Amino acid sequence: QLQLQESGPGLVKPSETLSLTCTVSGGSISSYNYYWGWVRQPPGRGLEWIGSIYFTGSTYYNPSLKSRVAISVDKSNNQFSLKLSSETAADTAVYYCARQREEGNYLGNFDYWGQGMLVTVSS
Amino acid sequence: DIQMTQSPSTLSASVGDRLTITCRASQSTSSWLAWYQQKPGKAPKLLIYKASSLESGVPSRFSGSGSGTEFTLTISSLQPDDFATYYCQQYNTYLTFGGGTKVEIK
Repeated sequence: QLQLQESGPGLVKPSETLSLTCTVSGGSISSYNYYWGWVRQPPGRGLEWIGSIYFTGSTYYNPSLKSRVAISVDKSNNQFSLKLSSETAADTAVYYCARQREEGNYLGNFDYWGQGMLVTVSS
Repeated sequence: DIQMTQSPSTLSASVGDRLTITCRASQSTSSWLAWYQQKPGKAPKLLIYKASSLESGVPSRFSGSGSGTEFTLTISSLQPDDFATYYCQQYNTYLTFGGGTKVEIK
């Protein structure tokens, strides 16, 4: 059974960079036809896609966050990571990592999710 | 950007009711649309993909339909486990989620 687990600091200071890692177990991050993505959810609000990566390193970012986001993959450790710079209180959210199932050459839907991790931006 | 608008934002219903949730896209997404169920404190769960395909393991009371800019999620007979928030997501152009529909107990 595929499992994903987010890790990283739960508190980030304003203007600093958020760094999270997602560890994949029970399957290979180098699988064809699957992307690996990040989704966030501010408290009490809806879901927002941050970006996705393929095991080859190809990345796709939400245009509204593109200038601040970097996603990378570490195939040897079966992990992928998120960096979001210039944090503000508006970035306070539960951050999920998830597997994306490619469909018809499109990024596709999320079929496996991590449990989520609350990251608070505060001084 | 493709904007996704769900309606209603909140829905009060009883066990056994037939429910329909609508998702409208600001431009065509063809059939590249998914539906998710989310319960408080939990990650979303995939229900429907490609507008009408039922994800493995999801009860058959859930169904999806539509194409282009208008989509619906139907629950044929609401069960106690179905009280949750539902989101649509397009993946025709990048990815965008709808604002969510909370299904509450009447």
